[in-house]
Amino acid sequence: GNSVTQMEGPVTLSEEAFLTINCTYTATGYPSLFWYVQYPGEGLQLLLKATKADDKGSNKGFEATYRKETTSFHLEKGSVQVSDSAVYFCALGGGTSYGKLTFGQGTILTVHP
Amino acid sequence: EAGVAQSPRYKIIEKRQSVAFWCNPISGHATLYWYQQILGQGPKLLIQFQNNGVVDDSQLPKDRFSAERLKGVDSTLKIQPAKLEDSAVYLCASSLNPQGAGEQFFGPGTRLTVL
Repeated sequence: GNSVTQMEGPVTLSEEAFLTINCTYTATGYPSLFWYVQYPGEGLQLLLKATKADDKGSNKGFEATYRKETTSFHLEKGSVQVSDSAVYFCALGGGTSYGKLTFGQGTILTVHP
Repeated sequence: EAGVAQSPRYKIIEKRQSVAFWCNPISGHATLYWYQQILGQGPKLLIQFQNNGVVDDSQLPKDRFSAERLKGVDSTLKIQPAKLEDSAVYLCASSLNPQGAGEQFFGPGTRLTVL
């Protein structure tokens, strides 16, 4: 079945540091890949997505590239801000899953001034 | 555009009691999902509806959990009787297109504590 593995957390960074959160997946078919973010006290919201191999999703300075050869979808940001502090979830859907999202366990990011 | 609405936001019950959660999806979204998010874990799908029909309920503990979406719009998730391990956040989501890269929109969730 489908599965998603995220890097162990939590991650603590200083403002303007470079961020990488690793995500690898196992799936049948050709899934789409997503990063969702959950800010404190708020619901999950889509951060970015990629629908096929070599696609790059980007939003709010975050980027992730769909790498089929390494089954990865790592999240990166060149310069984090305090406001980026949140929980980040990697997920996959589509393919043979008919809409169902399979999530990783989440990575807590804390950014200090 | 109004988002996905859920109520209540918080609920505390004793084990063996029953509880119900309500969700109203975004207008026009045919697909509705209920996820369970246990602390420290990612959300796990409990049940998926397409209009008022069930598409996937393979992870729903049917001996105690039930869900319905009678008119293809809002939905109710019920737990009866509740166990300690049901303590979690219950998320409702909806989407226009259940396949491919169709984005799911999530409600704020209901945080359930079972004592």
